Amino acid sequence: ELKVEQNPLFLSMQEGKNYTIYCNYSTTSDRLYWYRQDPGKSLESLFVLLSNGAVKQEGRLMASLDTKARLSTLHITAAVHDLSATYFCAVALYGGATNKLIFGTGTLLAVQP
Amino acid sequence: EAQVTQNPRYLITVTGKKLTVTCSQNMNHEYMSWYRQDPGLGLRQIYYSMNVEVTDKGDVPEGYKVSRKEKRNFPLILESPSPNQTSLYFCASSSSGGKNTGELFFGEGSRLTVL
Repeated sequence: ELKVEQNPLFLSMQEGKNYTIYCNYSTTSDRLYWYRQDPGKSLESLFVLLSNGAVKQEGRLMASLDTKARLSTLHITAAVHDLSATYFCAVALYGGATNKLIFGTGTLLAVQP
Repeated sequence: EAQVTQNPRYLITVTGKKLTVTCSQNMNHEYMSWYRQDPGLGLRQIYYSMNVEVTDKGDVPEGYKVSRKEKRNFPLILESPSPNQTSLYFCASSSSGGKNTGELFFGEGSRLTVL
């Protein structure tokens, strides 16, 4: 059974600081996704990582994937208040034909001015 | 605009009163899915559909039904809602083509309260 763990679950950081959110998963997968959710809102796709060593960057966020370690990271550079949200990683079942994604429990990020 | 549309967005109902949450996508996606989101539990899949007339259970299907009569629509039916089905529900869709990334596109969510 594929399990996805994120840590930390809650992250309070100051503006201007750097930090990393970790996403570990338990079985082989070749696709990993990062989503952002604002309170009471839908999930917005941030990154799609499709191969080992994939790295993608958008603004102050950078995501990477290490399929051998079964680990993805979401790095935040010089945080700003607008980045406050809950971040989810989601992993696809390897070789699965169903497009099913298993979600982590999310990391609530609060950026303090 | 490419989107997944859910209705209603908010609903308060009573135990046992049948309800349907509609979901429609305009991206010609083959795959559609329903998730529920509960505090501390993340998102859990209820049902999914690979294409018209093809549906299957997800991880928490008890108390729910779905149908896929048209490619664009995937309604979620609660025949006899109970308080433990109080949750935030999301419909999502993605392409299943050969080069698809499997990226899910989510609706705005439907907050359901069962009294």
